[in-house]
This record gives sequence, C-alpha cells and structure tokens, in this order.
Amino acid sequence: GAVVSQHPSWVICKSGTSVKIECRSLDFQATTMFWYRQFPKQSLMLMATSNEGSKATYEQGVEKDKFLINHASLTLSTLTVTSAHPEDSSFYICSIRDRSNEQFFGPGTRLTVL
Amino acid sequence: AQSVTQLGSHVSVSEGALVLLRCNYSSSVPPYLFWYVQYPNQGLQLLLKYTSAATLVKGINGFEAEFKKSETSFHLTKPSAHMSDAAEYFCAVGGSQGNLIFGKGTKLSVKP
Repeated sequence: GAVVSQHPSWVICKSGTSVKIECRSLDFQATTMFWYRQFPKQSLMLMATSNEGSKATYEQGVEKDKFLINHASLTLSTLTVTSAHPEDSSFYICSIRDRSNEQFFGPGTRLTVL
Repeated sequence: AQSVTQLGSHVSVSEGALVLLRCNYSSSVPPYLFWYVQYPNQGLQLLLKYTSAATLVKGINGFEAEFKKSETSFHLTKPSAHMSDAAEYFCAVGGSQGNLIFGKGTKLSVKP
C-alpha cells in the first residue's frame, strides 16, 4: 500500500504562534488527501478534504481561516494551525486515498500548545 | 448519512481468549466498512475491509469480521488474543466524499 509520512511527529509551541504540519505521499500521487483531528481518548474527526490545485473543503465547525490547508503538489499537503491556542492541542493525522478508495494514514503529529 | 457505533469503549480479555469487538453501522447506500488498529501515539493501520464481496472478511494478525446486513453489523473477532493485540480499535464506514467516518473506538486490554 501507499506510504504516508508526516512532519513533524510532535511539536510544542507557545499560544499565539503558528504551526505547519506536512503530509507527504511517498509513493503515490494523491489528488485527494484528508486531514483528521483526534482529541485524547476520542475518535478521529474529519477536518477537511485537501484537493490538489484547488481549495480545501472544510467540515462544519472547522474554521478555514484558522486551519490553512495547501495542497500544492500531488505528493504534499500542509496544514497550518494559525494563532494556536491550548484547545488546539490534539493529534493531527492525514490520509491519502488510492485508486481503489483505500485510505492510508500518516503516523500523526502530536501538537501541544502551551 | 453514514454513522458508526462501537459498543463498549473498553474490552478486557485474557490471553488466549476470544476477542469480540462490536460495530454497528448506519448507511443509506451499500457500505464500505473498515477496521483499523491504533497503537499509542501512532497512526492507523488497516486490519481489514469489506467492499461488497465476501461477507466474511479475513484481515491481518488473525482478525476477521463478518458483514451482516440484516443486523447492520460488522463485528471484529479473533479466536485467541495475544498480548500484542492490546490497542485501540476503530470501526469506520466510507463517507460520501471518500473520507472515513469513525466510531469512537474500543480499547482492547489483554490480561496475561
């Protein structure tokens, strides 16, 4: 299956700063990537669908101006958490979907906002 | 709209015992169903998936699941638990955008 990487694997930042998380598809050209958020002891919730070359589609309740998504190439999507606050602390996971509609997940990025 | 319900947020079994993790789904269209496993601070690993072929699906690590349309269920089983099976398990149904809609997860503990 496809291999997905995320960078960084964890990040700690001060409140008010911005953090960029990268999601890379290492061996598959992904026109669509998904960004999920997982709070402690909870399930994964879809935040947005990232489409290569076009604007991302955000789920209801997710602020598009706070969570900036850029899918500039078929192998890279970035999620920028702008003006991060402690309530944004979470585990952010990306995934790609291959031609058979199977999803492959990245290892996740643990964000802690102090 | 699709949704998934996992019964039991925590299941504890003894090593060698049967593992049964329950999942019920709701879908207005024929569903694609998945089971994923997540180890602490890691991403998700696909255990198995149902895509309208055989109703009994065999996955990795000895797990299998049976799709029962009449019961709208897709329970995950393993005949004999191993210590390494201790993890969080998520059932998911394919969403209309190609995304996945996850259940709340079941934490499996395996006692020696």
